[in-house]
Amino acid sequence: QKEVEQDPGPLSVPEGAIVSLNCTYSNSAFQYFMWYRQYSRKGPELLMYTYSSGNKEDGRFTAQVDKSSKYISLFIRDSQPSDSATYLCAMSAGNTPLVFGKGTRLSVIA
Amino acid sequence: DSGVTQTPKHLITATGQRVTLRCSPRSGDLSVYWYQQSLDQGLQFLIQYYNGEERAKGNILERFSAQQFPDLHSELNLSSLELGDSALYFCASSDAGDTQYFGPGTRLTVL
Repeated sequence: QKEVEQDPGPLSVPEGAIVSLNCTYSNSAFQYFMWYRQYSRKGPELLMYTYSSGNKEDGRFTAQVDKSSKYISLFIRDSQPSDSATYLCAMSAGNTPLVFGKGTRLSVIA
Repeated sequence: DSGVTQTPKHLITATGQRVTLRCSPRSGDLSVYWYQQSLDQGLQFLIQYYNGEERAKGNILERFSAQQFPDLHSELNLSSLELGDSALYFCASSDAGDTQYFGPGTRLTVL
């Protein structure tokens, strides 16, 4: 079993839809959870950072962490064509290298 | 703009050659991380330096080496290049926390 599993998609949604992106993980030591957005051939850009369980909201983005289920989610409300990118989940146990999911490719169609 | 810079943007070279990739971290960040991203493997951690010292090692081949200099910039050296080394190479930096900020990457093509 891989340490971090992420559905690669691709995921295609109409503009204005709510998008749900998910990752599961196996290492119970993970405490720091991040979502990165990567446009084609660009560097990953940090979107959301969450420590331990709970929700965090930033504009149209909401990150959720359920440590009991080892499951994290990113929700995008009112999705826009500019949200079309690959979304990578990442996590660490603290002062350890990040472990990334393989990324989910999202297309938002106008 | 993350504040992390990488040079060059593109590198095209032949098998068996050696190349050096350069990274300058965000101002004040002491940690530098190197990652390799290929289509089938995703983003793979290679190595981390903290204030000039090697801190953690990931799936880095023996043909690859890195160092961090006193001014905190870092270089990744790739030698005896093979076709399979063609990939995007990213550098990221962080302060004492766990959030990492990525540079724009170097695209390496080995012919």
